[in-house]
Formats: sequence, structure tokens, C-alpha cells
Amino acid sequence: EAQVTQNPRYLITVTGKKLTVTCSQNMNHEYMSWYRQDPGLGLRQIYYSMNVEVTDKGDVPEGYKVSRKEKRNFPLILESPSPNQTSLYFCASSLQLGSSTQYFGPGTRLTVL
Amino acid sequence: DQQVKQNSPSLSVQEGRISILNCDYTNSMFDYFLWYKKYPAEGPTFLISISSIKDKNEDGRFTVFLNKSAKHLSLHIVPSQPGDSAVYFCAASLYNTDKLIFGTGTRLQVFP
Repeated sequence: EAQVTQNPRYLITVTGKKLTVTCSQNMNHEYMSWYRQDPGLGLRQIYYSMNVEVTDKGDVPEGYKVSRKEKRNFPLILESPSPNQTSLYFCASSLQLGSSTQYFGPGTRLTVL
Repeated sequence: DQQVKQNSPSLSVQEGRISILNCDYTNSMFDYFLWYKKYPAEGPTFLISISSIKDKNEDGRFTVFLNKSAKHLSLHIVPSQPGDSAVYFCAASLYNTDKLIFGTGTRLQVFP
């Protein structure tokens, strides 16, 4: 089954404690993205990757890091989480960004205390 | 500055009637538009799209209309069903870029 998986689905942590949210897709897609969803703000792109070892900033990259060492995986790293990073996070993959359909993971709800 | 706007945070429609969800955008360089549907505890799923060279695209009960002069698109659902109750996001992309800009979403509730 074609899918995008994220782990963990739910996470409560404290300020400053490094964490990683994993994302994996099995569709051999080149493009992967991370979004955060906040009330009244919709989905905002954090980082995206066009291929292995190629990443670029989206609209709200501050406080986040990503890596793309393999085509299927695109982890999101919060080196020092802060309460304003409490949000619902989605990973997505697609054949290409823009006009290509993006397939989203189920989401990770992160709470930073 | 929100480039893609969905001014109605929520919409309530009776089953069997038409649902119309609206979306406005500010950047005339957007060339492709998409609608995604999102159920609680799930990621958004693609629903329907339209290229800027068209003004209408239809897929079953779902039709998207694009008015480029007004920088406006709308999603029509006919007839609406209770299973359509979800949050709907419109999104727009710039030609030949890797950017997809989402709106803030409209929560549709279809009641019996």
C-alpha cells in the first residue's frame, strides 16, 4: 500500500529537549516536505527536499532542521524545541512539487511545555 | 501576508444540497490550484485540481471553478453527503517552482 508514515503520532516534551520526527514514504517520490498546521494559519511549509541531499527552506524554517540521506526518509529535527513549536506536523511526498499531488502522512501532534 | 485566503472558517449544509467553498488568492502568477480534504486525525488527501488555462474541472460530485480575473476559485459539492464533513484546504502553486501555498481551511459540516 502506497503511504507516508510518521512517528511518533503524539509527543509531549519540554523546552530544549532535542527531538526527531521521522517520515518515510514507499512511493519512490523525489519530493518531500514538512508542514505545520496551526489554527487560523492553515498549512505552512517548513522545509522541502527535491532529492537526496537536496533540501531548502520553506516559509517557516526557523527552529527546524531536516536531512535527506535516503530517498524514502525525511526526518524533521527540533534541536531545542520551544512552546511556539507546539503544533500539528505533516510530512508529504510527491513526484514533484507544485502541480503534482502531494500525499500526506497522518500527522504528528507535538506539545512543547 | 496570506496569499491564499479562505474567508469562511466554517460552512453548514443540509444533506442533498449544494456546498460551495470559496478561495481567493493574491498572486496572479499562480498557475495551478488544488483542493485537499482533511478528516480529524488524518493527513490531508487530494480531492481535485485545476490548471490556470481552464475555468472548470469536474470529477463526479466535485467541481472546481476558476475565475482568474477575480483571482477566485470555488469548490462545488453536489449533492452534499454527511461523509463530506471535513476541513477543506485550497492550495496554489507558482509555475516552475517548488512552492505550494495553502489557505487556512474551511470546515464543512453536512447534516441530515
